[in-house]
Amino acid sequence: GAGVSQSPSNKVTEKGKDVELRCDPISGHTALYWYRQRLGQGLEFLIYFQGNSAPDKSGLPSDRFSAERTGESVSTLTIQRTQQEDSAVYLCASSPGGRGGNEQFFGPGTRLTVL
Amino acid sequence: AQSVTQPDIHITVSEGASLELRCNYSYGATPYLFWYVQSPGQGLQLLLKYFSGDTLVQGIKGFEAEFKRSQSSFNLRKPSVHWSDAAEYFCAFTSGNTPLVFGKGTRLSVIA
Repeated sequence: GAGVSQSPSNKVTEKGKDVELRCDPISGHTALYWYRQRLGQGLEFLIYFQGNSAPDKSGLPSDRFSAERTGESVSTLTIQRTQQEDSAVYLCASSPGGRGGNEQFFGPGTRLTVL
Repeated sequence: AQSVTQPDIHITVSEGASLELRCNYSYGATPYLFWYVQSPGQGLQLLLKYFSGDTLVQGIKGFEAEFKRSQSSFNLRKPSVHWSDAAEYFCAFTSGNTPLVFGKGTRLSVIA
């Protein structure tokens, strides 16, 4: 039983470049979440996928951020024209979905540094 | 607005002393409550969760938390802290299968 995996673990990029972050959820989990953790801050919700429903994008901070998910598997978070304020750890989580509350299982995160 | 407040940014305790980390939430109904721990450079690990039933929940590593509806609180406790407990602790809630709302975290330092 592998957990949630994310790649790359670290990414350093130059301001203005595009970056793509990947998340592999736990097999069978229908719900997938992206969060951002800036230095010294709590986690901010970015986007949420549940099965085949339209994603909840209400947490995306700007139109430079987008995410896709193929079925109930891999998800990619894309940040276009990166800015220095995008520097953060990006965490992905998955959960079984369905009714009621479910534990979200977190990946190790991708640390993004924008120079 | 839905929110979680962790009033203590940083707490320092002596090894072997007891610990209580405070958490208050703002939500119109009974939420699903969680405590996560994050060690330096590590991902988030679930310590414990409250969904329903007994308001005192036991978690891993000797932690427990008590849900008090009247106070909208879910404080985390441990009777005797170990040096390895030094980490960042996050309280969070969800209304169901929805994104977690996190507090800003409490950093715990443990001294000899």
